[in-house]
Parts: sequence; structure tokens; C-alpha cells
Amino acid sequence: AAGVIQSPRHLIKEKRETATLKCYPIPRHDTVYWYQQGPGQDPQFLISFYEKMQSDKGSIPDRFSAQQFSDYHSELNMSSLELGDSALYFCASSLGGAATDTQYFGPGTRLTVL
Amino acid sequence: AQTVTQSQPEMSVQEAETVTLSCTYDTSESDYYLFWYKQPPSRQMILVIRQEAYKQQNATENRFSVNFQKAAKSFSLKISDSQLGDAAMYFCAYRSARFGNTDKLIFGTGTRLQVFP
Repeated sequence: AAGVIQSPRHLIKEKRETATLKCYPIPRHDTVYWYQQGPGQDPQFLISFYEKMQSDKGSIPDRFSAQQFSDYHSELNMSSLELGDSALYFCASSLGGAATDTQYFGPGTRLTVL
Repeated sequence: AQTVTQSQPEMSVQEAETVTLSCTYDTSESDYYLFWYKQPPSRQMILVIRQEAYKQQNATENRFSVNFQKAAKSFSLKISDSQLGDAAMYFCAYRSARFGNTDKLIFGTGTRLQVFP
């Protein structure tokens, strides 16, 4: 079965640079979630989209922005990167508005800020 | 606000034995979902099992089962016949059903499970 695809899998950036993370949900899934997992920590919710509209927002810095496109893929844009942004970024997808309520996670993008 | 607590930072079990991981949560809602996710060294988040709060019957998936005590707000995971491949970080997670199916997951801090041969 098709899974959530995230690209790139690994990304190394310098401080103050910009990064773009991409997420391709499971086919027919219309809801996308972004989570950030720091070293030794649990995943923290950043932002979610349902049918291309932002549906919820968590502890996402103002330096970060995200959107969901017409094909339901999503991009997380991160500017003015800081050392503390180094983390594993997960995208998850689900079929919102239906009986299915489970979020399926992608493999994550490991961002390292030097 | 909802919170999820996993009080066991680390657990260990002998291969083929049974182990139970604990999870408690706090919520004022009556309708919600609970999950256990497994995160092996690859860091992939893998769904192990889920429970709907309105269902009294405990969920079971092969060797994995839960003990869901709604009144006590407890949701423990039992792994039977433990295998070396079960070694991972296990996260308990809560999701509200109040806003339909688009709400975020709230995770506990995780329990690292070691399996010894």
C-alpha cells in the first residue's frame, strides 16, 4: 500500500538559511499534519491542513509557514534557520471527515542546522 | 488542555515474555481516540493499535492488546510473546474527536522498550 512520502529525507543547512520540506500524503487523503521531534523528545504538533485550508495550528514559529496544494501535497517553509530547529520533521496524513481517523506518518525529514 | 503521561521512561523484557507499558491521560472530553505508536531506531512512526473511547471492548492486534479504563483515564499496552523486533520507543497518543477527524495528536514522552534474548 502507498505510504506518506517526504522529501528530502536528510537536509543540512547553515544558520539563517531557508529550508523547504515536502510531504505527499497517501492517495485520497485530504488532511496533512506536520510534527517536529527534537532529539530525545516526543513529536510536537506544528500545523495541519484539511482540504487545502489550515485547520489547526500548534507551536509553530513565525519563521515557519506551510500550505497545502490542489493535489493535497504540502510544503513546510522554514526561514532564518536556528540551531534549535535541528530536528526530525514528520508529515502525517489522514482521510478527514470520514470514519477513518488514524494519522499515518511519513519517514520524516531530518534537518540539521549548522 | 489534554495531557498524556507515560511514567516509565524505560522498560525491558525477555524474549517470548509479556510486558505492559503504562499510559494515563487527562481530558474533560467524553469522545476521543487513543493510540500507541512504535518508533524503532529508524525513527519511523508506526501505528501499533488504536482505541475509540466510546467502545468498551479493548482493542487487540495480534500480540498487542490494550487495557482501556475510561473512568481511570488509563490506557496500557500489553505486548505478548515479545520479539527482538519489538525493541523501540513506544508513544501513547491522544486525539480529540470533538472537531471531527482533523485534530492533532498529543503524545506522551515515550517508553523505551528493550528486548533481551
